Amino acid sequence: DGGITQSPKYLFRKEGQNVTLSCEQNLNHDAMYWYRQDPGQGLRLIYYSQIVNDFQKGDIAEGYSVSREKKESFPLTVTSAQKNPTAFYLCASSTGLAGGAQYFGPGTRLTVL
Amino acid sequence: GENVEQHPSTLSVQEGDSAVIKCTYSDSASNYFPWYKQELGKGPQLIIDIRSNVGEKKDQRIAVTLNKTAKHFSLHITETQPEDSAVYFCAASIQGQNFVFGPGTRLSVLP
Repeated sequence: DGGITQSPKYLFRKEGQNVTLSCEQNLNHDAMYWYRQDPGQGLRLIYYSQIVNDFQKGDIAEGYSVSREKKESFPLTVTSAQKNPTAFYLCASSTGLAGGAQYFGPGTRLTVL
Repeated sequence: GENVEQHPSTLSVQEGDSAVIKCTYSDSASNYFPWYKQELGKGPQLIIDIRSNVGEKKDQRIAVTLNKTAKHFSLHITETQPEDSAVYFCAASIQGQNFVFGPGTRLSVLP
């Protein structure tokens, strides 16, 4: 099956700890994205990557970091510097070409205790 | 940069009626407009999309219309069913690059 996988589905973290969220795609897409969604809210862009070994900050990058060492993988680290990390995190990918659709993974719900 | 507005924020319809959600965008360079359906606790699912060289697209009970002059596009769902209840997001993209999303519409289909 082709698609985007995110793990884990639920994640609990103590304050002051860094945590890494996994995102993998087998769609052969060049572009990958991380969004944050708070209850009843829309999608806010954290980071995006158009190509391997390159990524750019989105609208709310503070307190987050990413890497793009492989085309299939785009992990997101939520650092202790993120003031309010409890949220639903969504990974997406697209071809990056004109008219290319963006597809989402199932999401990871992060709760800071 | 691009800004996408979406209305209404909530919409309730009787089962079998039609539902219409409208979005406007600000950047005339945007040329790709997808619509997503998000069920509770799940990732958004692409349900239909339209490119700027097309004015209307239909897929069974779902249709999307685009007015480039007015810079707005709409989602139309006919013969609504309870399983259509979800949050719907519109988005605009320039050349398949960054996607800007609307704030979402919570649709409730009442039996």
